[in-house]
Amino acid sequence: ETGVTQSPTHLIKTRGQQVTLRCSSQSGHNTVSWYQQALGQGPQFIFQYYREEENGRGNFPPRFSGLQFPNYSSELNVNALELDDSALYLCASSPLALQETQYFGPGTRLLVL
Amino acid sequence: QQQVKQSPQSLIVQKGGISIINCAYENTAFDYFPWYQQFPGKGPALLIAIRPDVSEKKEGRFTISFNKSAKQFSLHIMDSQPGDSATYFCAASVVRKELVFGKGTKLTVNP
Repeated sequence: ETGVTQSPTHLIKTRGQQVTLRCSSQSGHNTVSWYQQALGQGPQFIFQYYREEENGRGNFPPRFSGLQFPNYSSELNVNALELDDSALYLCASSPLALQETQYFGPGTRLLVL
Repeated sequence: QQQVKQSPQSLIVQKGGISIINCAYENTAFDYFPWYQQFPGKGPALLIAIRPDVSEKKEGRFTISFNKSAKQFSLHIMDSQPGDSATYFCAASVVRKELVFGKGTKLTVNP
């Protein structure tokens, strides 16, 4: 087990709605990254937070936003949901001592109807 | 632009055989190359990783071979078992930056 947990496990939304996904990592993991994994594809980088500040962003529109909290938890918010947002959303955290290593949570499966 | 190219897309191996998955990268700034294993409905799990100053790394039945000049690296699974059946992803990153993933290889190990 990586110690990275995500909630909820599954979620169904309709187009145009907003969604918040949550991630909790281990103590000492000060970097958190979010990835989107479409069916049959590799994970795609959304953004990364380091010490509560955004530290890089992939090719995703501004309606994807995030937060990192002092207690090592993080949120991914997606506004104005589109059908193509249906995917597995993965959170990954990195320990302070091994910054290159990213440990993934089990993911949240989002279905947009 | 796909920065990490992975092949084959799928692979079928008999129990006890060797599974080989290959990846090629373009960005010479990459300095960390992990392999992840993913089972259906689960998140990717780190399997083994290598830095470019090492040409080979072995952990149990899993070995990474790295060719810096060719910008290629590969995963070898020795004595493949049915429990190894999963999707394998190679990835690359600059330290403290995002992972760039290949498209994945679905491995099936027949008993």
